[in-house]
Formats: sequence, C-alpha cells, structure tokens
Amino acid sequence: KAGVTQTPRYLIKTRGQQVTLSCSPISGHRSVSWYQQTPGQGLQFLFEYFSETQRNKGNFPGRFSGRQFSNSRSEMNVSTLELGDSALYLCASSMGQSNTEAFFGQGTRLTVV
Amino acid sequence: GENVEQHPSTLSVQEGDSAVIKCTYSDSASNYFPWYKQELGKRPQLIIDIRSNVGEKKDQRIAVTLNKTAKHFSLHITETQPEDSAVYFCAARYTGNQFYFGTGTSLTVIP
Repeated sequence: KAGVTQTPRYLIKTRGQQVTLSCSPISGHRSVSWYQQTPGQGLQFLFEYFSETQRNKGNFPGRFSGRQFSNSRSEMNVSTLELGDSALYLCASSMGQSNTEAFFGQGTRLTVV
Repeated sequence: GENVEQHPSTLSVQEGDSAVIKCTYSDSASNYFPWYKQELGKRPQLIIDIRSNVGEKKDQRIAVTLNKTAKHFSLHITETQPEDSAVYFCAARYTGNQFYFGTGTSLTVIP
C-alpha cells in the first residue's frame, strides 16, 4: 500500500506570491490534516479535511486555506506569502475515526525569499 | 483547546541505557496518544501509540504508559542504540484527525 505522498518536495517563492501544495493520502483514508513545522514553533495544526469538508481549523490567518477532492487528495494554498511562512509543511492521513493512527507524508519544504 | 507539554527538550544517554520522555496534556477528552520519531530531514514516523482505555503498551524496546487521572504519558526506550537518536514528539488527539504535539525531545545516544 502506498504511503502518504506530498508534492512538490521543495519550493522557493518570493514574498507576495501564492503557493499550492498537494497531499495524496493512503488509499482508503478519508481524513487529511495539515501541519506547519518550524524550529521555533514545532508542529502546528493548520486544518483537517474529512470527506471534502473542513472539519477542524487551527489558529492560522485566512491566507492559509485548503480543500479536499472526492478522491481524498487535499491541497493547501497560501496566498500573499510572507518570510515567516518558510517552513516544512506536513500532511497526515488517517481513516478519520476516533482512535485511528495518522501517518505523515514526507513534507514540502517551502522557502520564501 | 488542547495543550501538550513535553520534557526534556534534549536528552543524551549512553548506548545501552534507558531513555524516558514525559508529556502532559490538558484536555481530559483526549483519548489517543501517539509518539512519533523524526530523523533529520525525514517525516515523523509513528512508533507507538496508546489509547485511553489502556494504561501501558509495549513493543520490543519501546513502551508507553498513560496516567489518565494525572493527564500524563511517557515514552520509555530500553537498551538504547545509536539509531534511536532522533527527535521524538508526543501528541494528543483533540478531535477528528487534529493532534496537538509536544515541542519535541532531541535524543542522542552516545556509542
């Protein structure tokens, strides 16, 4: 069974631009969550999508948005990029029910210059 | 929301010794507590987890204990090996697939 796949692996953008990241969950998983990982803040929850609906949302500004498609693949979009958005963006997939394991993708390393 | 505290932030042990990492959580509704290991430049990997109806779980050299009353859980690694060196994160499920993570423990096993 294929694992969680994130594309692209690396991305360099300039301030003010927007970016879209993609996450393909494990087959059969309906929940995709997104996290931002930085050295100073650790792993911070962005949002979760389940069956094409945003189920939970963390404390990030509206510049961060996402969506999920009928095949459970998810995209995350960041508009008007800021230097502080430079981070490793990880997605995690799970079945979505309580007490089920979550597995991470390899992440997308975003650098804003 | 949930708040997860993790200690220590760094830990160095001699090969063969044990390592213990502790976490506390704030939301009594949390019912699932995974531990992830992240090696440099790699994704977090689930190494063990525990559910709130269990007090202890063991998998070879790794064990996790949970005290629901005190709202804390711990990771125990016995007979440590150099390949155990990594950053370890504890997490508590808040709801759905939303986790709150501890700030991580950088474990170094000295050969």
